[in-house]
Order: sequence, then structure tokens, then C-alpha cells
Amino acid sequence: GEDVEQSLFLSVREGDSSVINCTYTDSSSTYLYWYKQEPGAGLQLLTYIFSNMDMKQDQRLTVLLNKKDKHLSLRIADTQTGDSAIYFCALRNAGNMLTFGGGTRLMVKP
Amino acid sequence: NAGVTQTPKFRVLKTGQSMTLLCAQDMNHEYMYWYRQDPGMGLRLIHYSVGEGTTAKGEVPDGYNVSRLKKQNFLLGLESAAPSQTSVYFCASSSGLAGVHGANVLTFGAGSRLTVL
Repeated sequence: GEDVEQSLFLSVREGDSSVINCTYTDSSSTYLYWYKQEPGAGLQLLTYIFSNMDMKQDQRLTVLLNKKDKHLSLRIADTQTGDSAIYFCALRNAGNMLTFGGGTRLMVKP
Repeated sequence: NAGVTQTPKFRVLKTGQSMTLLCAQDMNHEYMYWYRQDPGMGLRLIHYSVGEGTTAKGEVPDGYNVSRLKKQNFLLGLESAAPSQTSVYFCASSSGLAGVHGANVLTFGAGSRLTVL
């Protein structure tokens, strides 16, 4: 089945940029998503990218998709303490369901 | 507009007990899902439903049953709880199959933390 891998932790200083990476195995996914989970809450959609795009920018968020390397990344510019959360990438699998990565916990130090 | 509401938020069970988690959505979504979240493993799909009266197995269905008698409700049952079912359970809904019918995104509930002793 589909494998979606993320590193477990990322620590950055307030004001720096954060880059959260995701690698996957299934190249047929049409939409790829980034979700954010704050403590004690459910997941909320941050942004998504269609597979025919290389990049999508939305305010402080930049999503990069490298289909050749099956690599998705989320860049957060000017990271704030309020960005501290767990970030999940997700993509459609062969069964037409979403497969989620294990999540990357972003810690932002003041 | 409440979105997706899960009850209860917390529950402690003894091994062998049964319980039901309730998920309610008020967005008229056709599709509903139950996931479990375990540390470092992301979310894994337990069961899902593509409409009222329908259910289907996801990635990790064993030990769980579901029912979708009404469009707005999706129930997750544990008939005989086991410690391996200690987890945080999330319900979600969407208007279409995410990633298939356009970018239909999932709306998640706040989660239900279940501990089985």
C-alpha cells in the first residue's frame, strides 16, 4: 500500500522559516494535502496542491511538489509560536481514501 | 454551525467492555469516516461510509463495527474492548471522496480519547 513518511520533530526559532517534508510512494495521487493539528483538537486543512502543479503559495505557506522524487514540502515563512502544532501530509491512495503521514511536531522557540 | 461533533470526548473502559462513539455532522455531507490516531503513526482509517445505510472497511477495521442509520450520524462500536484499542479516535466528513471528487476536504471532529485498561 501507500507509504507516506515524515520526520517526527522540527524545532525552529520564532521568525525563522520552517520546512516540513513528506515523501510518498504512490505517484498516482491527484491531490496532496497539508493538515494542522493543534493540541487537543482535530485536524484542520491548511492547504492542498493538485498534482499538475509544482508550487502553490498562500500567504506565509508555500507548498512544493517534486513528482519525480515523490517529495512534498510545506514551508512556513516567519514562523510564529502559534504555528506550534503537528503537521500531517496526506494523499489519495489506490483505494481512493486518504493516507496520512505520521505527522511532524513543529516546536517554535521564542 | 457546529461542523463535526464527537461524543464522548474521554472514556476509560475495562478490557471486555463495550461502548459506542457517536459522530454527528450538520453539513449534509455524504461521506463519513472514523480514524484512529496513535503516536508516530498518523491517522489510520477504521471504517467509512459513502452514504446513509452504507459502510465499508478501512485499513484497520478489526474489533470495530459501525452504523450509518441516518445521514448525519456515524457510530463506531467496540464490542469487546482491548488495550490495543487505546487511542484517540477522530470522525471526519466530506461532501465527496477526498482527492477523487475534486479536492473535497475532510472536516474533522475534535477527537475522542479512549483508554482501555
